[in-house]
Amino acid sequence: AQKVTQAQTEISVVEKEDVTLDCVYETRDTTYYLFWYKQPPSGELVFLIRRNSFDEQNEISGRYSWNFQKSTSSFNFTITASQVVDSAVYFCALNSYSGTYKYIFGTGTRLKVLA
Amino acid sequence: DGGITQSPKYLFRKEGQNVTLSCEQNLNHDAMYWYRQDPGQGLRLIYYSQIVNDFQKGDIAEGYSVSREKKESFPLTVTSAQKNPTAFYLCASSTGTGYRPEQYFGPGTRLTVT
Repeated sequence: AQKVTQAQTEISVVEKEDVTLDCVYETRDTTYYLFWYKQPPSGELVFLIRRNSFDEQNEISGRYSWNFQKSTSSFNFTITASQVVDSAVYFCALNSYSGTYKYIFGTGTRLKVLA
Repeated sequence: DGGITQSPKYLFRKEGQNVTLSCEQNLNHDAMYWYRQDPGQGLRLIYYSQIVNDFQKGDIAEGYSVSREKKESFPLTVTSAQKNPTAFYLCASSTGTGYRPEQYFGPGTRLTVT
C-alpha cells in the first residue's frame, strides 16, 4: 500500500521564524518519486520540488530546503526566515513505479505566517 | 504562456442536474488528471488519462464521467448520481512518459450544488 502522512494539520509561526513541514511516506517500491506542492488561498497547486528514490541529496532553493531520508521514509520541507507570503497549504505527494500514473497526496499542512 | 485553464472558477447547480467542468492545457502534455478536494482534505483522484481516447478510473470515479477526444482537453462531467458533488475540482497534467514527472495544476473550479 502507498501512503503519505502529513501529521501537522496546521502550523502558525511569526514572520522570520524557521519552520519545518513533515512528510512521511510508505511504499514497497524501490523506485519512487516524491513531490512538494504549495496551495495558496487562490487554490491552484504550485509545484515546488521533485525527488526520486535514488537521490538522497538535500536540496536548497533560496529560503526553501528539503531533507530526504530513506532510512526514516521522510521528505521534510523547511522554510527559513518565513514570510507572510509563505502562508499556504503545503502538500507532499508520492508516485511509485508500479505501472500506474497515480499520485498519492498527503492531507496537507496549513502554514500561517503572522506579521 | 503555457498552462492549464479551468472554467468556470465558480459553478452553481441545482441537485439532479449534470454539470461539465472544462479543462484545457497547452503544455503538450500526454497525461491529464482530475482531482477532488474537500475542506481540510487532501486530493483524491477521480479519473486520469495517459493518452487520447483512453482514460482510467481513479479512487472516487463513481458519479463522474470524462472524455479525452483531444490531447488538449479533458472535460469532467459531474452527474446526478454523484451524492456529494459540492467540492473544489482540480485538473492537472504531466508529460506522462517514462519517468514520473511533476504535475501541473489548473486554478480549479469550485462547484456548489444545492
